[in-house]
Amino acid sequence: GAGVSQSPRYKVAKRGQDVALRCDPISGHVSLFWYQQALGQGPEFLTYFQNEAQLDKSGLPSDRFFAERPEGSVSTLKIQRTQQEDSAVYLCASSSASGGASYGELFFGEGSRLTVL
Amino acid sequence: KNQVEQSPQSLIILEGKNCTLQCNYTVSPFSNLRWYKQDTGRGPVSLTIMTFSENTKSNGRYTATLDADTKQSSLHITASQLSDSASYICVVSPTYGNNRLAFGKGNQVVVIP
Repeated sequence: GAGVSQSPRYKVAKRGQDVALRCDPISGHVSLFWYQQALGQGPEFLTYFQNEAQLDKSGLPSDRFFAERPEGSVSTLKIQRTQQEDSAVYLCASSSASGGASYGELFFGEGSRLTVL
Repeated sequence: KNQVEQSPQSLIILEGKNCTLQCNYTVSPFSNLRWYKQDTGRGPVSLTIMTFSENTKSNGRYTATLDADTKQSSLHITASQLSDSASYICVVSPTYGNNRLAFGKGNQVVVIP
């Protein structure tokens, strides 16, 4: 596609519900990143994929967070048993570079804004 | 302590005026330094990318400078327009641990007519 596409753009969940956020990266981009951005803050790293391999998941805040990219294109970030502190914008970014975030330009999606009540 | 500090946190400027945003960082060694523009409710968009050996990079009315010795960068906006109202985020790429970009909190700029 022309850019990184994320859905849904807005999600309201009740505390304890599971949510799934989708990212469709730019076609052919090898690297895919998930970030969490709280209001008034910069993005915080969650996880990194190179093709279908999840090479770094050290930023995931708890075992309630799970990400996958089974065919090396679309990725899903799943949050189980959501808590109020999970409320944030979840940004997805992709890059044509394979060496990690330092080596290529990142293209961000519009983000998915999650509000947990 | 955040590895990337930006100042001022927010500022209001009149349309047509210039402004300069500051970024101080402690990341070392680093591969490159980037400035992103993030409109409200949108994802960040890249403005400039400078390697550690570059001193300046321009993109239209945006000019970024880098002083690797003092670990400072600035973003200068010339002849501001209403559409420049956004958050400007400084991002530093460490040479090691390269999946972990260090993001600043952003400079919130509001341009008023």
